[in-house]
Amino acid sequence: DIQMTQSPSSLSASVGDRVTITCRASQSISSYLNWYQQKPGKAPKLLIYAASSLQSEVPSRFSGSGSGTDFTLTITTLQPEDFATYYCQQSYRAPAAFGQGTKVEIK
Amino acid sequence: EVQVVESGGGLVQPGGSLRLSCAASGFTFSSYWMCWVRQAPGEGLEWVANIKQDGSERYYVDSVKGRFTISRDNAKDSLYLQMNNLRAEDTAVYYCGRVGATVTTSYYYYYIDVWGKGTTVTVSS
Repeated sequence: DIQMTQSPSSLSASVGDRVTITCRASQSISSYLNWYQQKPGKAPKLLIYAASSLQSEVPSRFSGSGSGTDFTLTITTLQPEDFATYYCQQSYRAPAAFGQGTKVEIK
Repeated sequence: EVQVVESGGGLVQPGGSLRLSCAASGFTFSSYWMCWVRQAPGEGLEWVANIKQDGSERYYVDSVKGRFTISRDNAKDSLYLQMNNLRAEDTAVYYCGRVGATVTTSYYYYYIDVWGKGTTVTVSS
């Protein structure tokens, strides 16, 4: 099975900061990588699919990059509503594993 | 409105069974792969299983193989998860998800683009 590892597990940032989250796959997954945002007590929300494609109605301050085994989610100009936990997920092969999550907290 | 709504969660003893349901509306259910994802208390997301549009392909995470069965009824726009021989580590919120797809010239990219609010399963004596 493909394992997904995110770093860091958590980070503290201020409104207006640029935030970068990394996701690494245990083997090449081409561009079959999705990013989700989850707020406490809520279902996850799709942000990015196919490594870099922005889901409809997601703000353009979110972007994704990478291919193969190394991927990045970037949030430019962090907003108050962006404090949440972010997950990557590979869709290259079942089981479609998620990373362990990165919690973005207010500094 | 496109939505999926889970039901069927509850408290069950170890070794017991439970059947989760997911009712879909606002889209052509039979055109989509569907999946279940779970989240144990205070933990991350875990993909559990998915099923092809016609039910001909099903995939499971290793930890539930032989115990859980995903199924669907396209006539009823419904997805199910039959859970047998439940263990304490199956305690989680279970989310139903629609698997969206984007097709390029050569590739299909899959992602979960519609999520339910979840149903809670607690396995405890």
